[in-house]
Amino acid sequence: DIQMTQSPSSLSASVGDRVTITCRASQSISSFLNWYQQKPGKAPKLLIYAASSLQSGVPSRFSGSGSGTDFTLTISSLQPEDSATYFCQQSNSVSVTFGQGTKLEIK
Amino acid sequence: QVQLVQSGAEVKKPGASVKVSCKASGYTFTSYYAHWVRQAPGQGLEWMGVINPGDGGTTYAQKFQGRVTMTRDTSTSTVYMEVSSLRSDDTAVYYCTRAATEVIPGFMPAATFDYWGQGTLVTVSS
Repeated sequence: DIQMTQSPSSLSASVGDRVTITCRASQSISSFLNWYQQKPGKAPKLLIYAASSLQSGVPSRFSGSGSGTDFTLTISSLQPEDSATYFCQQSNSVSVTFGQGTKLEIK
Repeated sequence: QVQLVQSGAEVKKPGASVKVSCKASGYTFTSYYAHWVRQAPGQGLEWMGVINPGDGGTTYAQKFQGRVTMTRDTSTSTVYMEVSSLRSDDTAVYYCTRAATEVIPGFMPAATFDYWGQGTLVTVSS
């Protein structure tokens, strides 16, 4: 299986900050990379698909980039409602795998 | 609107089986793959397998081969996931989720998950 490694595992930032989360795949996955947001007690929500495409209804402050093995999720101006855990997921093979998650807290 | 509504929480003893249901609405049930993903308490997300609701074809994660069975009932637009020989480390929230890709007959592609059920907590404890 393809291993997905996220960093950092947690971070704390202030409202209005620019935040970046990275995800690295153990082998090239082209642009088959998705990002999800999960709030406590809720199911994950798709934010970004195919590395850089914004899912319908997701605020434009979220963006994704990267290809091959290295990817980033950026929140351009952090809002209080962005407090959540973020997961990357590779969709290069049918046995999809997820990163371990990045917990984002608002200072 | 697309909805996936799962069955309620379960408490099972080690060695027992559990069957979780997921009723779909708001789209053509047989046109989109259904996947199952689980999350142990405080942990990450783990893919378990996929079913093609059109023909019932399945692909399971190697870890769950022989212990997980996914089925569907097209008359009620419901998919089911049964886990047998439960262990304490099967305690988790189990999610059904829809793949964003429409079904391609005879093909099981990798998935992006655009809709999720609310989750079903399965607790395994003696």
